[in-house]
Amino acid sequence: DADVTQTPRNRITKTGKRIMLECSQTKGHDRMYWYRQDPGLGLRLIYYSFDVKDINKGEISDGYSVSRQAQAKFSLSLESAIPNQTALYFCATSDSWVNYGYTFGSGTRLTVV
Amino acid sequence: DQQVKQNSPSLSVQEGRISILNCDYTNSMFDYFLWYKKYPAEGPTFLISISSIKDKNEDGRFTVFLNKSAKHLSLHIVPSQPGDSAVYFCAASRGGADGLTFGKGTHLIIQP
Repeated sequence: DADVTQTPRNRITKTGKRIMLECSQTKGHDRMYWYRQDPGLGLRLIYYSFDVKDINKGEISDGYSVSRQAQAKFSLSLESAIPNQTALYFCATSDSWVNYGYTFGSGTRLTVV
Repeated sequence: DQQVKQNSPSLSVQEGRISILNCDYTNSMFDYFLWYKKYPAEGPTFLISISSIKDKNEDGRFTVFLNKSAKHLSLHIVPSQPGDSAVYFCAASRGGADGLTFGKGTHLIIQP
């Protein structure tokens, strides 16, 4: 099994719909992150969490919300999806004490039509 | 304002030669720098990192150089191999206080 698992891998949804992307990890890491990747724009941080009770906004949090249900689970929600949220979404984890290297999931490709 | 810049969207190098990927940053508070490699349909994978107290870090064929005064770092791959063809992201951290800031990536193509 992958260390960081994202579900679904691909999703097509309609404008205005609420959608949730899920992430679970077996690394035992405290820190979890959600990034989105757009062509030519690299990866941009949406939200991050340093433990279950800690949630922080990233660079582009508008239109998104998150929930840290447990140390191993961090979900991202689009409350009312819009077409410019079409992107590749990545969840990542890190160990706060060892190094700054992240472990990324394989990504969720989201298309909003 | 983009704090981590990778000005070359793509780079083509012959197999066996040296690949040099460049990255510039503007935020002097960054104290840790990382390179990630990404294949299509996969998440980025950590490649190599360097602390701001060092100017070089080496791991096998990969070496990262940091020039703090110029706010510039580079990744050298020697010799380049076909499996090195991927998108490479430069990233920076401010003491682990928040998430990494990534550049836009450079698509490295190794030609036979």
